[in-house]
Amino acid sequence: DSGVTQTPKHLITATGQRVTLRCSPRSGDLSVYWYQQSLDQGLQFLIQYYNGEERAKGNILERFSAQQFPDLHSELNLSSLELGDSALYFCASSVDLSRAEAFFGQGTRLTVV
Amino acid sequence: LAKTTQPISMDSYEGQEVNITCSHNNIATNDYITWYQQFPSQGPRFIIQGYKTKVTNEVASLFIPADRKSSTLSLPRVSLSDTAVYYCLVGSTDSWGKLQFGAGTQVVVTP
Repeated sequence: DSGVTQTPKHLITATGQRVTLRCSPRSGDLSVYWYQQSLDQGLQFLIQYYNGEERAKGNILERFSAQQFPDLHSELNLSSLELGDSALYFCASSVDLSRAEAFFGQGTRLTVV
Repeated sequence: LAKTTQPISMDSYEGQEVNITCSHNNIATNDYITWYQQFPSQGPRFIIQGYKTKVTNEVASLFIPADRKSSTLSLPRVSLSDTAVYYCLVGSTDSWGKLQFGAGTQVVVTP
Protein backbone atom coordinates (compact mmCIF):
# COMPACT_ATOMS: atom_id res chain seq x y z
CA ASP A 1 0.00 0.00 0.00
CA SER A 2 1.61 3.22 -1.21
CA GLY A 3 -0.57 5.45 0.94
CA VAL A 4 -2.02 7.18 -2.12
CA THR A 5 -5.74 6.66 -2.50
CA GLN A 6 -7.59 7.00 -5.77
CA THR A 7 -11.31 6.82 -6.29
CA PRO A 8 -13.16 5.37 -8.00
CA LYS A 9 -11.24 2.25 -8.96
CA HIS A 10 -13.35 1.66 -12.03
CA LEU A 11 -15.52 3.99 -14.08
CA ILE A 12 -17.57 3.26 -17.16
CA THR A 13 -19.14 6.18 -18.94
CA ALA A 14 -20.44 7.19 -22.34
CA THR A 15 -18.79 9.38 -24.93
CA GLY A 16 -19.40 13.08 -24.43
CA GLN A 17 -19.74 12.76 -20.68
CA ARG A 18 -17.66 14.34 -17.93
CA VAL A 19 -16.04 12.54 -15.02
CA THR A 20 -13.99 13.48 -11.99
CA LEU A 21 -11.19 11.34 -10.62
CA ARG A 22 -10.07 11.91 -7.08
CA CYS A 23 -6.70 11.44 -5.43
CA SER A 24 -5.66 11.65 -1.79
CA PRO A 25 -1.88 11.87 -1.48
CA ARG A 26 0.21 10.28 1.24
CA SER A 27 0.07 12.11 4.50
CA GLY A 28 2.57 14.94 4.41
CA ASP A 29 3.17 14.87 0.66
CA LEU A 30 2.79 18.27 -0.97
CA SER A 31 3.25 17.30 -4.61
CA VAL A 32 0.69 15.44 -6.70
CA TYR A 33 1.14 14.09 -10.21
CA TRP A 34 -1.38 12.71 -12.69
CA TYR A 35 -0.55 10.14 -15.35
CA GLN A 36 -2.49 8.42 -18.09
CA GLN A 37 -1.58 4.91 -19.18
CA SER A 38 -3.09 3.36 -22.25
CA LEU A 39 -1.97 0.31 -24.18
CA ASP A 40 -0.66 2.22 -27.16
CA GLN A 41 0.76 5.28 -25.40
CA GLY A 42 2.46 3.94 -22.33
CA LEU A 43 2.66 6.02 -19.17
CA GLN A 44 2.08 9.68 -20.05
CA PHE A 45 2.67 12.53 -17.62
CA LEU A 46 -0.31 14.89 -17.52
CA ILE A 47 0.17 17.49 -14.82
CA GLN A 48 1.79 18.19 -11.47
CA TYR A 49 0.68 20.29 -8.52
CA TYR A 50 2.68 21.41 -5.55
CA ASN A 51 0.99 22.75 -2.46
CA GLY A 52 -2.04 23.85 -4.43
CA GLU A 53 -0.26 25.37 -7.40
CA GLU A 54 0.31 23.95 -10.84
CA ARG A 55 4.04 23.28 -11.30
CA ALA A 56 4.43 21.29 -14.48
CA LYS A 57 2.30 20.37 -17.43
CA GLY A 58 2.70 17.47 -19.78
CA ASN A 59 0.58 16.25 -22.64
CA ILE A 60 -2.71 17.12 -21.04
CA LEU A 61 -5.61 17.75 -23.37
CA GLU A 62 -7.61 20.97 -23.13
CA ARG A 63 -10.66 18.82 -22.30
CA PHE A 64 -8.85 17.75 -19.15
CA SER A 65 -8.25 19.88 -16.11
CA ALA A 66 -7.03 19.33 -12.59
CA GLN A 67 -6.68 21.10 -9.31
CA GLN A 68 -5.21 20.55 -5.88
CA PHE A 69 -7.26 21.68 -2.93
CA PRO A 70 -6.11 23.23 0.38
CA ASP A 71 -6.27 19.84 2.06
CA LEU A 72 -3.88 18.65 -0.69
CA HIS A 73 -6.21 16.18 -2.33
CA SER A 74 -6.46 16.52 -6.07
CA GLU A 75 -9.08 16.00 -8.72
CA LEU A 76 -8.69 15.34 -12.41
CA ASN A 77 -11.65 16.37 -14.52
CA LEU A 78 -12.14 14.79 -17.92
CA SER A 79 -14.83 16.24 -20.17
CA SER A 80 -16.30 15.58 -23.60
CA LEU A 81 -14.99 12.08 -23.25
CA GLU A 82 -13.93 10.12 -26.31
CA LEU A 83 -13.33 6.43 -26.80
CA GLY A 84 -9.60 7.13 -26.89
CA ASP A 85 -9.68 8.48 -23.36
CA SER A 86 -10.18 4.96 -22.06
CA ALA A 87 -7.11 4.27 -19.96
CA LEU A 88 -5.71 3.80 -16.50
CA TYR A 89 -5.28 7.10 -14.72
CA PHE A 90 -2.69 7.17 -11.97
CA CYS A 91 -2.10 9.69 -9.29
CA ALA A 92 1.24 9.90 -7.51
CA SER A 93 2.53 12.00 -4.68
CA SER A 94 5.90 12.99 -3.29
CA VAL A 95 7.09 14.91 -0.28
CA ASP A 96 8.43 17.84 -2.23
CA LEU A 97 10.04 18.75 -5.52
CA SER A 98 13.55 17.71 -4.65
CA ARG A 99 13.19 13.97 -5.04
CA ALA A 100 12.26 11.57 -7.79
CA GLU A 101 10.66 9.11 -5.38
CA ALA A 102 6.98 9.34 -6.08
CA PHE A 103 4.36 7.03 -4.64
CA PHE A 104 1.66 5.89 -7.02
CA GLY A 105 -1.92 4.98 -6.29
CA GLN A 106 -3.66 1.92 -7.66
CA GLY A 107 -5.20 3.92 -10.47
CA THR A 108 -8.66 4.53 -11.84
CA ARG A 109 -9.59 2.46 -14.85
CA LEU A 110 -11.77 4.56 -17.11
CA THR A 111 -13.74 2.92 -19.88
CA VAL A 112 -15.55 5.16 -22.34
CA VAL A 113 -18.24 3.39 -24.35
CA LEU B 1 15.01 15.97 -20.20
CA ALA B 2 17.58 13.35 -21.13
CA LYS B 3 16.31 10.66 -23.48
CA THR B 4 16.72 7.10 -22.30
CA THR B 5 17.01 3.83 -24.22
CA GLN B 6 16.37 0.43 -22.67
CA PRO B 7 15.88 -3.06 -24.07
CA ILE B 8 12.25 -3.83 -24.80
CA SER B 9 12.28 -7.16 -23.01
CA MET B 10 14.47 -9.61 -21.10
CA ASP B 11 13.87 -13.16 -20.02
CA SER B 12 15.41 -14.85 -17.00
CA TYR B 13 15.10 -17.93 -14.83
CA GLU B 14 14.41 -17.89 -11.14
CA GLY B 15 17.51 -17.43 -9.02
CA GLN B 16 19.50 -15.68 -11.71
CA GLU B 17 20.78 -12.12 -11.64
CA VAL B 18 19.12 -9.75 -14.09
CA ASN B 19 20.96 -6.70 -15.37
CA ILE B 20 19.09 -4.04 -17.31
CA THR B 21 21.15 -1.37 -18.99
CA CYS B 22 19.79 2.06 -19.78
CA SER B 23 21.51 4.46 -22.15
CA HIS B 24 21.28 8.20 -21.50
CA ASN B 25 23.95 9.82 -23.65
CA ASN B 26 22.80 13.40 -23.10
CA ILE B 27 22.53 13.24 -19.34
CA ALA B 28 23.09 16.64 -17.72
CA THR B 29 25.44 17.39 -14.87
CA ASN B 30 22.68 17.76 -12.31
CA ASP B 31 20.61 14.80 -13.51
CA TYR B 32 19.95 11.77 -11.35
CA ILE B 33 19.07 8.28 -12.57
CA THR B 34 15.96 6.68 -11.15
CA TRP B 35 14.38 3.28 -11.68
CA TYR B 36 10.77 2.27 -11.22
CA GLN B 37 9.03 -1.13 -11.33
CA GLN B 38 5.48 -1.66 -12.53
CA PHE B 39 3.28 -4.74 -12.24
CA PRO B 40 0.24 -5.12 -14.53
CA SER B 41 -2.62 -2.80 -13.62
CA GLN B 42 -0.67 -1.29 -10.73
CA GLY B 43 1.06 2.02 -10.35
CA PRO B 44 4.85 2.18 -10.74
CA ARG B 45 6.95 1.70 -7.63
CA PHE B 46 10.23 3.48 -6.94
CA ILE B 47 13.17 1.07 -6.78
CA ILE B 48 16.39 3.03 -6.60
CA GLN B 49 18.07 6.31 -7.47
CA GLY B 50 21.69 7.25 -8.00
CA TYR B 51 24.03 9.91 -9.31
CA LYS B 52 27.34 8.12 -9.80
CA THR B 53 29.25 4.93 -8.96
CA LYS B 54 27.15 2.36 -7.17
CA VAL B 55 24.02 2.45 -5.04
CA THR B 56 22.56 -0.58 -3.30
CA ASN B 57 19.41 -1.12 -1.33
CA GLU B 58 17.45 -4.14 -0.19
CA VAL B 59 15.88 -4.58 -3.61
CA ALA B 60 18.50 -3.79 -6.23
CA SER B 61 21.83 -2.26 -7.12
CA LEU B 62 22.47 0.55 -9.53
CA PHE B 63 25.79 0.81 -11.31
CA ILE B 64 26.75 4.08 -12.97
CA PRO B 65 30.07 4.41 -14.84
CA ALA B 66 32.21 7.50 -14.59
CA ASP B 67 30.89 9.06 -17.81
CA ARG B 68 27.28 8.53 -16.61
CA LYS B 69 26.10 7.92 -20.17
CA SER B 70 24.54 4.65 -19.12
CA SER B 71 23.45 2.85 -16.00
CA THR B 72 22.69 -0.75 -15.08
CA LEU B 73 19.98 -1.91 -12.74
CA SER B 74 20.91 -5.23 -11.18
CA LEU B 75 18.28 -7.48 -9.65
CA PRO B 76 19.93 -10.28 -7.65
CA ARG B 77 18.45 -13.76 -7.59
CA VAL B 78 15.14 -12.92 -9.23
CA SER B 79 11.94 -14.72 -8.42
CA LEU B 80 8.69 -15.09 -10.35
CA SER B 81 7.35 -12.05 -8.53
CA ASP B 82 10.01 -9.88 -10.17
CA THR B 83 8.22 -10.23 -13.49
CA ALA B 84 7.34 -6.63 -14.27
CA VAL B 85 8.17 -3.64 -16.44
CA TYR B 86 11.20 -1.67 -15.32
CA TYR B 87 11.57 2.01 -16.22
CA CYS B 88 14.71 4.10 -16.28
CA LEU B 89 14.22 7.83 -15.77
CA VAL B 90 16.76 10.63 -15.92
CA GLY B 91 16.15 14.09 -14.56
CA SER B 92 17.05 16.71 -12.00
CA THR B 93 15.31 18.39 -9.14
CA ASP B 94 14.13 20.97 -11.69
CA SER B 95 12.41 18.35 -13.80
CA TRP B 96 11.01 15.81 -11.39
CA GLY B 97 7.65 17.37 -12.03
CA LYS B 98 7.78 15.85 -15.46
CA LEU B 99 8.80 12.34 -14.54
CA GLN B 100 8.79 10.98 -18.06
CA PHE B 101 8.44 7.24 -18.35
CA GLY B 102 9.64 5.61 -21.55
CA ALA B 103 8.55 2.23 -22.84
CA GLY B 104 10.44 0.39 -20.13
CA THR B 105 11.86 -3.13 -20.13
CA GLN B 106 9.53 -6.07 -19.70
CA VAL B 107 11.30 -8.64 -17.55
CA VAL B 108 9.83 -12.13 -17.55
CA VAL B 109 11.06 -14.60 -14.94
CA THR B 110 10.27 -18.26 -15.47
CA PRO B 111 10.79 -21.29 -13.23
